[in-house]
Amino acid sequence: RKEVEQDPGPFNVPEGATVAFNCTYSNSASQSFFWYRQDCRKEPKLLMSVYSSGNEDGRFTAQLNRASQYISLLIRDSKLSDSATYLCVVNKGSNSGYALNFGKGTSLLVTP
Amino acid sequence: NAGVMQNPRHLVRRRGQEARLRCSPMKGHSHVYWYRQLPEEGLKFMVYLQKENIIDESGMPKERFSAEFPKEGPSILRIQQVVRGDSAAYFCASSPPTGNPPQHFGDGTRLSIL
Repeated sequence: RKEVEQDPGPFNVPEGATVAFNCTYSNSASQSFFWYRQDCRKEPKLLMSVYSSGNEDGRFTAQLNRASQYISLLIRDSKLSDSATYLCVVNKGSNSGYALNFGKGTSLLVTP
Repeated sequence: NAGVMQNPRHLVRRRGQEARLRCSPMKGHSHVYWYRQLPEEGLKFMVYLQKENIIDESGMPKERFSAEFPKEGPSILRIQQVVRGDSAAYFCASSPPTGNPPQHFGDGTRLSIL
């Protein structure tokens, strides 16, 4: 089983749509959870951290369910500039500092 | 306040040559992480270093790959006797000694093997 698994995508949505991405992770010792965004051939950029209570940043809402080891990202009112690959990221665990395990990513294309 | 600096941005090598990739962490950051992204794949952790110490190299291939982070100067990822399968984007990230996990990635080095 992969350490971080995501929806395969791609997701093609019109501007203004709401889209949700899901992710599961296998290491119950993981303590830190993130969504990163990666544009084509660029470096990953932190989109937001994910907290147990759920958290929101503008149009983006992240949820974490530790019991089922499940993470989600909701994007409301999609913009053309949201087109990118979204990476679900989980830290490796206690002996590796904050080294990260990345999902393969889900591609989002927002169309006019 | 410069971010994580990687060089070169692009590197072309022939099979059997050596590749050296450099990473200078953000100012004040003493932890460095290297990740590799193969074409059409996700990022994979390779190695975690602190100054003069390798903390976790569980993601490093057993042969030909090595990494260092000397007391002075950048972190170096070294690949000896490169093969076509080493073609990938290599990303470095850095973090401070305490606090939040690494959030800052360099632009990456795109390694192409002819």
